[in-house]
Amino acid sequence: SQQGEEDPQALSIQEGENATMNCSYKTSINNLQWYRQNSGRGLVHLILIRSNEREKHSGRLRVTLDTSKKSSSLLITASRAADTASYFCATDSIQGAQKLVFGQGTRLTINP
Amino acid sequence: EPEVTQTPSHQVTQMGQEVILRCVPISNHLYFYWYRQILGQKVEFLVSFYNNEISEKSEIFDDQFSVERPDGSNFTLKIRSTKLEDSAMYFCASSQQGAPRGQYFGPGTRLTVT
Repeated sequence: SQQGEEDPQALSIQEGENATMNCSYKTSINNLQWYRQNSGRGLVHLILIRSNEREKHSGRLRVTLDTSKKSSSLLITASRAADTASYFCATDSIQGAQKLVFGQGTRLTINP
Repeated sequence: EPEVTQTPSHQVTQMGQEVILRCVPISNHLYFYWYRQILGQKVEFLVSFYNNEISEKSEIFDDQFSVERPDGSNFTLKIRSTKLEDSAMYFCASSQQGAPRGQYFGPGTRLTVT
């Protein structure tokens, strides 16, 4: 698998349910970030978690990071139709400069 | 809230023509980036820029590409002779000095090469 690979590739749930998306990566990282992208639009920064953090919250978002497993999860609680978008994790490497490596993303659909 | 802006939102050009994509990063940010996303594919890093020079570039960023910060606010990406495969969404991003550096993206420029 490639750096910053998300699963599932697509997720469809009912409004009000929780959505969990996962991301795995291969190399050691400085930080891991999650972004949202509405269809054909730009990337919106959601949350950043540092490599020495295990969990972070922001509103209805909860991100976890397990550096021993090289994985992260994004939980969106009480989902809304407006949460329908693609979600990407992106990592920056300790060795590299500041470039972000993105995964393929999870396409989340919230059904009203 | 400050944001990264990009112009134009959509650029159509003929193969072989030069294009310049423009970005205005967030004003107190010091690191600047270009990424691209071919339709249906993942976002790919092109180049990072700091202190008026390229700090890192990818294999995609060949001699046909160049970046410039012509003044205190703009950051541009030039493609000298566009190819059909350059058709993509191009995103500019910026981040502050110091860690952790969350990168904030502009809305993108959709480049269509015909």
